Amino acid sequence: DAKTTQPPSMDCAEGRAANLPCNHSTISGNEYVYWYRQIHSQGPQYIIHGLKNNETNEMASLIITEDRKSSTLILPHATLRDTAVYYCIVRVNTGTASKLTFGTGTRLQVTL
Amino acid sequence: ETGVTQSPTHLIKTRGQQVTLRCSSQSGHNTVSWYQQALGQGPQFIFQYYREEENGRGNFPPRFSGLQFPNYSSELNVNALELDDSALYLCASSPGTPPWTQYFGPGTRLLVL
Repeated sequence: DAKTTQPPSMDCAEGRAANLPCNHSTISGNEYVYWYRQIHSQGPQYIIHGLKNNETNEMASLIITEDRKSSTLILPHATLRDTAVYYCIVRVNTGTASKLTFGTGTRLQVTL
Repeated sequence: ETGVTQSPTHLIKTRGQQVTLRCSSQSGHNTVSWYQQALGQGPQFIFQYYREEENGRGNFPPRFSGLQFPNYSSELNVNALELDDSALYLCASSPGTPPWTQYFGPGTRLLVL
């Protein structure tokens, strides 16, 4: 699985959009971009994933550049409950055997 | 729909002992993956079970072993516990259909003294 690079930490004011970047310059054509988050001492929570098109769900939007070498997770209106470590992961979807390779993630702090 | 559950939530063992951790997968999911998360680190893949067979393994020694049962629940067994085994152990289940997204349980925190 390709390696990802994320900033170690970011701050965001409550109510503003949080834009979390991720570089995955060695991504292969069959690798998906996944985002998970982990609130302190809890299990990681799935947020969103995509291959090359931008994706949106009730939690967030995922913007993937045309060359697929980077992506941005957008939380449109961050709240204090969005304070967590956010992990960007690239993964081959070859079926049940594909594991998730976590890095160290970005620690997002949402403040009043 | 019931999510992934794990038991126990916390556990304290001493070095050299054995431990069994349990995971119930989300309804409709037939694949279970186990991860170890040391303090301050991201989760590390231990192994995965699909239809009761080991289906992939990370860089963990043989004293880490597992089982999956016909109802797709799973156990993680660790023998000869070491101090470095102290960690949060996470179980994730996924369906047998694309995109095989993994959904995590709350974890079991193991402390080895």
